[in-house]
Amino acid sequence: EVQLVESGGGLIQPGGSLRLSCAASGFTVSSNYMSWVRQAPGKGLEWVSVLHSGGSTYYADSVKGRFTISRDNSKNTLYLQMNSLRAEDTAVYYCATEFVGPTRYFDCWGQGTLVTVSS
Amino acid sequence: DIQLTQSPSFLSASVGDRVTITCRASQGISNYLAWYQQKPGKAPKLLIYAASTLQSGVPSRFSGSGSGTEFTLRISSLQPEDFATYYCQQLNSYPYTFGQGTKLEIK
Repeated sequence: EVQLVESGGGLIQPGGSLRLSCAASGFTVSSNYMSWVRQAPGKGLEWVSVLHSGGSTYYADSVKGRFTISRDNSKNTLYLQMNSLRAEDTAVYYCATEFVGPTRYFDCWGQGTLVTVSS
Repeated sequence: DIQLTQSPSFLSASVGDRVTITCRASQGISNYLAWYQQKPGKAPKLLIYAASTLQSGVPSRFSGSGSGTEFTLRISSLQPEDFATYYCQQLNSYPYTFGQGTKLEIK
């Protein structure tokens, strides 16, 4: 069974750093396109970043230069390193797999981990 | 960036009703559009991809259509479990973007 489990969220002060993890089972992270999507409290979904199987990365402008997406193939885990955190980064962060073929879609999502940036 | 505008933002309907949600893209995205359903405290769930293809296991009362800049999600006969928030997403180009969501409430 394909499963994604996020962890690493919590309360962090503005300007601080946090690393989120997304542990995968039932498939190989390095063979897939993997994204992070966030949702601020009571708000809509916002795509954050993607890591392609070939290693290319892309970021939303709102996090570019502050967040870094990566993976550890030996642990079959995706990461999101978040630096210089701001209050507006407060959100539930989801990881998701992207099917890439003649079409594209996010077919598997984790349960999310809450990041709260506050003093 | 490609902007997606959903309408309406809120929709009040009754069990058995037929409802339609529209998603308009600021530029052409071919059929690189997906629809998701999200319930409170849960992750989004894929309903439709490639604008009109039903994801496996999703009831046939859900359907999607459109191409280019205008897309539609239809629910033919609302069931109690369908009351949720619905999002469209474009996967034509980065940054991927979502519509602002349509909250479907029980009348």
